Amino acid sequence: NAGVMQNPRHLVRRRGQEARLRCSPMKGHSHVYWYRQLPEEGLKFMVYLQKENIIDESGMPKERFSAEFPKEGPSILRIQQVVRGDSAAYFCASCRSNQNTEAFFGQGTRLTVV
Amino acid sequence: LAKTTQPISMDSYEGQEVNITCSHNNIATNDYITWYQQFPSQGPRFIIQGYKTKVTNEVASLFIPADRKSSTLSLPRVSLSDTAVYYCLVGLTNSGYALNFGKGTSLLVTP
Repeated sequence: NAGVMQNPRHLVRRRGQEARLRCSPMKGHSHVYWYRQLPEEGLKFMVYLQKENIIDESGMPKERFSAEFPKEGPSILRIQQVVRGDSAAYFCASCRSNQNTEAFFGQGTRLTVV
Repeated sequence: LAKTTQPISMDSYEGQEVNITCSHNNIATNDYITWYQQFPSQGPRFIIQGYKTKVTNEVASLFIPADRKSSTLSLPRVSLSDTAVYYCLVGLTNSGYALNFGKGTSLLVTP
């Protein structure tokens, strides 16, 4: 049973481009979280999704950021018109249900905006 | 969401027992206490979870007093590879809640 898979591991984008980060949860997991981590900082919650449903997006910036978790395929975190301040590590975690706080994390995607 | 407070950093020598305490004064009745470990350039990894009293697994022990306003993660006989950041989280994954990580405790183990 593969763990949470994130790709790409490293992503470089120029200012103004779009970044698409993918997360495939563990088999059998229907809940996905996205987090952002700046250097020397803790993880900041962004969004919590269930398949085809956004449960909590209170941590998402109001502009340029969006997330989805379709019925089939990976969860996608999309950042439009990236700026230098978007440079960070983005982690995805999945869990089996909303009754379990044992979330399994991926290795993260390190986004660098140049 | 219950706010947590834990030391920013701790140092230890190899072979010692390390105890990291987390304060969560406004923990709710249904909240669990969960600890994660994060190595540099990796995602956090679940260590242990508990609700009350004591929980032990092959990695660590978690001590929770009766009032549940704090918890202590105990790592027995640490090794150099235990150098990492340790996060204490309080909450219950449910609609409207989320796992929120603070800055954690940076543990440095030296020979």
